[in-house]
Amino acid sequence: EIAMTQSPATLSVSPGERATLSCRASQSVSSNLAWYQQKPGQAPRLLIYGASTRATDIPARFSGSGSGTEFTLTISSLQSEDFAIYYCQQYDIWPPFTFGQGTRLEIK
Amino acid sequence: EVQLVESGGGLVKPGGSLRLSCAASGFTFSSSAMSWVRQAPGKGLEWVSSISSSSAYIFEANSVRGRFIISRDNAQKSLYLQMNSLRADDTAVYYCARSITSRPGWFDSWGPGTLVTVSS
Repeated sequence: EIAMTQSPATLSVSPGERATLSCRASQSVSSNLAWYQQKPGQAPRLLIYGASTRATDIPARFSGSGSGTEFTLTISSLQSEDFAIYYCQQYDIWPPFTFGQGTRLEIK
Repeated sequence: EVQLVESGGGLVKPGGSLRLSCAASGFTFSSSAMSWVRQAPGKGLEWVSSISSSSAYIFEANSVRGRFIISRDNAQKSLYLQMNSLRADDTAVYYCARSITSRPGWFDSWGPGTLVTVSS
């Protein structure tokens, strides 16, 4: 089973600044990685798949990069609606599909 | 517009059973793999089970193997999860999720979820 580790657990950033979230896989997952955003009381929302392809209607301020075992989600200029929990998920070697434990992005 | 709506959650005693349903609309259901993902209170996301578009392939997490059964009815555009021998650690919000391809991968659409509580 591939373990996904996200860092940091909590990230405090001011609105308008850049946020960088990391996700590491315990072995290579190629580019088969997705990112999700989840707000309190809501279902997750797909942001990125294929490590760097934005999903439909996702703003350009969200970008993904990386391959193999190291991945990054960057939010270039934080808006108030971006404060949420972010999860990465690998879909290269499955079952099982595995998620990271999440990074909570909070307002500084 | 893609819509997924789960139902069937509730309070059940340990050892009991429950059947979840997910009604799909707004897309070609028979072309999409479907999955269940759960989230225990205050915890992260855990994949539970997936089924390919034609039901030819079924996959489940070790934690539910032998207890949960995923199925689908393409004519009814519905996904199901039969949950047996429920335990306290099965308590979670259960989400129905779509993969855009015939085999599961990333999950591009999610339902709002249904809460399952296992408690005596």
